[in-house]
Amino acid sequence: DGGITQSPKYLFRKEGQNVTLSCEQNLNHDAMYWYRQDPGQGLRLIYYSQIVNDFQKGDIAEGYSVSREKKESFPLTVTSAQKNPTAFYLCASTSRGVSGSNEQFFGPGTRLTVL
Amino acid sequence: GENVEQHPSTLSVQEGDSAVIKCTYSDSASNYFPWYKQELGKRPQLIIDIRSNVGEKKDQRIAVTLNKTAKHFSLHITETQPEDSAVYFCAARNYGGSQGNLIFGKGTKLSVKP
Repeated sequence: DGGITQSPKYLFRKEGQNVTLSCEQNLNHDAMYWYRQDPGQGLRLIYYSQIVNDFQKGDIAEGYSVSREKKESFPLTVTSAQKNPTAFYLCASTSRGVSGSNEQFFGPGTRLTVL
Repeated sequence: GENVEQHPSTLSVQEGDSAVIKCTYSDSASNYFPWYKQELGKRPQLIIDIRSNVGEKKDQRIAVTLNKTAKHFSLHITETQPEDSAVYFCAARNYGGSQGNLIFGKGTKLSVKP
């Protein structure tokens, strides 16, 4: 089913807490992405990484952090600085990043709710 | 940077009718245009894509057309079925650009009434 897994499926967080969302892929893809999805807003890019040990801010990076220590893993941390973190988070990957194979595969998503 | 506009935001059709969703993009250098279907609570999945060197592509009941001059592309679904009900996203990407990221439209919620 695309080879990308995300965990957990549902996550509840108290205000002021940091939480980390997991994303793993076994597709040998170079590039990985994190999107946030809100109703009526489409998919907004938070962070992306085209190679290991390198990542770039997307359009809405404030309050989030990432790491890319391994090719297959791209965890996202939602920090307490993110003022409105309740959303559906999608991880995605593509091969070769900028060029080459085009299809972007998505993980099943994590629904984060702040209590 | 690239900006993608998608219309309409909601679309309701009768089963068997056709549905058309339109997108415009701003960066003339964009050269790859995928369409994703997202069912409720699930991940987006690619249903069809088109590159800028092609004007039209068809896959069974789904077709995409691209007008590079006008910078717009459209998704056409014929003989719609209830299982076509979902949110559809268009996207654009410039593979020659410094980022090469997909820029998504805001989505169209398609409802097919039996």
